[in-house]
Amino acid sequence: EPEVTQTPSHQVTQMGQEVILRCVPISNHLYFYWYRQILGQKVEFLVSFYNNEISEKSEIFDDQFSVERPDGSNFTLKIRSTKLEDSAMYFCASSGERGNYGYTFGSGTRLTVV
Amino acid sequence: KQEVTQIPAALSVPEGENLVLNCSFTDSAIYNLQWFRQDPGKGLTSLLLIQSSQREQTSGRLNASLDKSSGRSTLYIAASQPGDSATYLCAVKGVTGGGNKLTFGTGTQLKVEL
Repeated sequence: EPEVTQTPSHQVTQMGQEVILRCVPISNHLYFYWYRQILGQKVEFLVSFYNNEISEKSEIFDDQFSVERPDGSNFTLKIRSTKLEDSAMYFCASSGERGNYGYTFGSGTRLTVV
Repeated sequence: KQEVTQIPAALSVPEGENLVLNCSFTDSAIYNLQWFRQDPGKGLTSLLLIQSSQREQTSGRLNASLDKSSGRSTLYIAASQPGDSATYLCAVKGVTGGGNKLTFGTGTQLKVEL
């Protein structure tokens, strides 16, 4: 069964450093997403990406965040200057079409900011 | 703004019991509802996807129902096993907004004891 692949599985970074989280969505999917889950809290939407541009973003997704699809397979989330409160599990997901298709999630990247 | 609530927050049952997990949502304008399983520190595994036009979906010992007009879904687990122990999340894909995002509930933490 096709999978969404995320790397690294765990990243520790110092406050103020830039991090890039990487994802390889399912190859024939068209929508790509980033979600995060702070320990003990709900899974929260960050951003959706379609046709090489952001289609929706949440209030969390401020100027410190950016997304990119640099080639035909990778989808990245960059945090420019990490804060302690950015520590969370970050999930990448993809879906086939708008509307009725379900999501497939990756196994996540645990980001720890120290 | 869509709000998703799951009851109960935690549940502990002996092996073999049938159980029901509840999910409610405030905005009935949805494309679909998806149930996920999350093991501690791990990613999200899709269990069942119910389209807004459907009433239920079944997969093995799992059955999910959807009453869109009342904003409710239930996940029924038959003959529970210790391996079913995990957190179960429901998420709805809303019609409004440009990005097709999922809104998650806080989850039901299930423990099935021998």
